[in-house]
Amino acid sequence: KQEVTQIPAALSVPEGENLVLNCSFTDSAIYNLQWFRQDPGKGLTSLLLIQSSQREQTSGRLNASLDKSSGRSTLYIAASQPGDSATYLCAVRGNRKLIWGLGTSLAVNP
Amino acid sequence: NAGVMQNPRHLVRRRGQEARLRCSPMKGHSHVYWYRQLPEEGLKFMVYLQKENIIDESGMPKERFSAEFPKEGPSILRIQQVVRGDSAAYFCASSPPGTNSYEQYFGPGTRLTVT
Repeated sequence: KQEVTQIPAALSVPEGENLVLNCSFTDSAIYNLQWFRQDPGKGLTSLLLIQSSQREQTSGRLNASLDKSSGRSTLYIAASQPGDSATYLCAVRGNRKLIWGLGTSLAVNP
Repeated sequence: NAGVMQNPRHLVRRRGQEARLRCSPMKGHSHVYWYRQLPEEGLKFMVYLQKENIIDESGMPKERFSAEFPKEGPSILRIQQVVRGDSAAYFCASSPPGTNSYEQYFGPGTRLTVT
């Protein structure tokens, strides 16, 4: 049974800092992995999708890597801003469905 | 191409009433997924449907919950005789037909409050 774990559960950093969010999964037989952002009481914003055959994806200040064999992904956020404050969710695509981590709650302090 | 649409965005029901949540997938998408996010919990898969077929309902509670995706019209998630524990955000996603590698695109969610 696939399990997804995100560490840390919460993170508070000063503005401008580079940071790394971690996601691990127990079953390496995945089709892809997605990182999402969720603001309090809001919907899901897809940030990056990495196919199982890929090693990383980049979008602006965000870079996500995938090491399928070790069951790990990282989301790197460069030069963090207060507007980056949100919960970041990792989800892996198995057969038919996404399995989610509990998220990392990020606070970027001005 | 409009994104995935869900309505209503907010729904308030009293205990014992029925809740109907609607999801219109993106144009050209024939696969629909429903997920539930309970307060202070992670998102959980509920059901996966294709047009007129339930493919995987392994995440659906055994009673009171049902889902359909008719040939015409939106997908419907129906909750009968709602209880306070059904209060949650319900998200719908869609993807095009084909492989499991396709991205799932999410709607804005329906927030159900049971009073």
